[in-house]
Amino acid sequence: EPEVTQTPSHQVTQMGQEVILRCVPISNHLYFYWYRQILGQKVEFLVSFYNNEISEKSEIFDDQFSVERPDGSNFTLKIRSTKLEDSAMYFCASSEGIGLDGYTFGSGTRLTVV
Amino acid sequence: AQSVTQLGSHVSVSEGALVLLRCNYSSSVPPYLFWYVQYPNQGLQLLLKYTSAATLVKGINGFEAEFKKSETSFHLTKPSAHMSDAAEYFCAVSRPGTASKLTFGTGTRLQVTL
Repeated sequence: EPEVTQTPSHQVTQMGQEVILRCVPISNHLYFYWYRQILGQKVEFLVSFYNNEISEKSEIFDDQFSVERPDGSNFTLKIRSTKLEDSAMYFCASSEGIGLDGYTFGSGTRLTVV
Repeated sequence: AQSVTQLGSHVSVSEGALVLLRCNYSSSVPPYLFWYVQYPNQGLQLLLKYTSAATLVKGINGFEAEFKKSETSFHLTKPSAHMSDAAEYFCAVSRPGTASKLTFGTGTRLQVTL
């Protein structure tokens, strides 16, 4: 069964450093998403991406965040200057277009900012 | 705006007993509804989805959910709990027609006891 692949599974970084979280969505999917889950809290939407541009973003997704699809297969989330409160599990997801098949999530990257 | 309310952050059932996890939604348009399961230290796995076809939806692992428009509910049930069902369960809503973001509930942790 097709799956969404995320790397790394764990990332520890110092406050103020830049991190890039990587995702390989399902190959025939057109819509890509990043969500995050702070420990013990609910899953929150960050951003959606379609046709090489952001289609929607949440208030969490401020100027320190950016997304990119650099090569037609990878989908990345960059945090420019990490803060302690960025520590969370970050999930990438993809969907085929109109949501009928649901959204397939990756297994997540646990980001710890120290 | 769309939202989901999951009643009960923790539910405990005995093995073999009925599982009932409650989800109520709010949406200005007919929604798509989803249940996801998250096992410890893992990603989100789609259990089942409602996308305006049959109101009784069957998913994986013996789970099912019924869309009740009059009650704005989409409760998840399983006739007989198994120890392996212990996990966090998230109800989510999205707008149909475009692959819009998922809005998640706060989750319900299911404990299954002997």
